Amino acid sequence: DTAVSQTPKYLVTQMGNDKSIKCEQNLGHDTMYWYKQDSKKFLKIMFSYNNKELIINETVPNRFSPKSPDKAHLNLHINSLELGDSAVYFCASSPQGDTEAFFGQGTRLTVV
Amino acid sequence: KQEVTQIPAALSVPEGENLVLNCSFTDSAIYNLQWFRQDPGKGLTSLLLIQSSQREQTSGRLNASLDKSSGRSTLYIAASQPGDSATYLCAGVGNQFYFGTGTSLTVIP
Repeated sequence: DTAVSQTPKYLVTQMGNDKSIKCEQNLGHDTMYWYKQDSKKFLKIMFSYNNKELIINETVPNRFSPKSPDKAHLNLHINSLELGDSAVYFCASSPQGDTEAFFGQGTRLTVV
Repeated sequence: KQEVTQIPAALSVPEGENLVLNCSFTDSAIYNLQWFRQDPGKGLTSLLLIQSSQREQTSGRLNASLDKSSGRSTLYIAASQPGDSATYLCAGVGNQFYFGTGTSLTVIP
């Protein structure tokens, strides 16, 4: 019973391609997030959604577009991938925006 | 802007030692403080959540404290084991989770 699941776990793709990462949570939480972990292991927020509405949109290139079809899903689509997009992307959820967060296992994106 | 710092960045101890990991944050306007563990190549596992009305939380050999007035939290690990080796992350909880830089812990058998 995985609480927050991401697919795929690994993604290797060429520059210029478009790719999507999917995230689903079965915890009934209202808030979902996308975080990026860089090569120095620092985690930085990209987006957060509350009940399908965009709440936080940090300084992220327009090539990144989140989509939340319902409050249990938050997908991340990336256009025109660049080498600098290589990182580990984590999805997370919490009951509300200020309570305990649960993270997925991460998606390691490598752009070649 | 919230900034979270963790000291030390890396720590190596012999098995059985008690140890303390430190986390400091610049903006006391956080609601809660959460500690995570991350194993190499893995996701984040929640260890403890300290709500703003609490001063500490305990789970097994782990004890975390929170002092909002000084902007500090500590994670105490008792009787460390090799299986505790991992990176430990603290996160201040506001309208998002503000992560620290992490402490890489190695427990030597």
